[in-house]
Amino acid sequence: ETGVTQTPRHLVMGMTNKKSLKCEQHLGHNAMYWYKQSAKKPLELMFVYSLEERVENNSVPSRFSPECPNSSHLFLHLHTLQPEDSALYLCASSQIGGAAYEQYFGPGTRLTVT
Amino acid sequence: GIQVEQSPPDLILQEGANSTLRCNFSDSVNNLQWFHQNPWGQLINLFYIPSGTKQNGRLSATTVATERYSLLYISSSQTTDSGVYFCAVGRPAAGNKLTFGGGTRVLVKP
Repeated sequence: ETGVTQTPRHLVMGMTNKKSLKCEQHLGHNAMYWYKQSAKKPLELMFVYSLEERVENNSVPSRFSPECPNSSHLFLHLHTLQPEDSALYLCASSQIGGAAYEQYFGPGTRLTVT
Repeated sequence: GIQVEQSPPDLILQEGANSTLRCNFSDSVNNLQWFHQNPWGQLINLFYIPSGTKQNGRLSATTVATERYSLLYISSSQTTDSGVYFCAVGRPAAGNKLTFGGGTRVLVKP
């Protein structure tokens, strides 16, 4: 595997289900990100993890719960979602430090909440 | 927060035509990336260009940071260039977070 991978690629879940999205980066980076892309809205940042510590939570509802067990893996745990949470969820990784670094994105998980 | 505006929102091209996409941003940045989103949703890195000019095949980009804009040039467009092009910027002292523009949807007709 190369770059940033995400599983599953597609997910349909009911509002009472619990599911998890997985992201893995093979680039040796030390920061990982979750973004959300809804229809007709710009991509928006949800969470940032730097060196496995959450450094950003962009006012995301608590029904989304991120987890970063190590610098290569990132999860997004989902529970009691709403239909408006249907979207494309994108994971990204980069180096992080004093300078700015290029971010690389995974293929995304397309989530449908019924 | 920083505002990022892309123009035009939609662009229809005949195969072989050239085009210019624009990204304006409202504050100083130390990171600017151009992406192409394919029909399956994958964001493909085109350029990392916080300043200056770069070229990659038929694509080139220029960022004039002092005037807060960036341009993406597509020359001799092909049908595979269709998709949505996003500009994203990051600000100093804001970690490495990216703020995305609304995108330019490009359709190249054969």
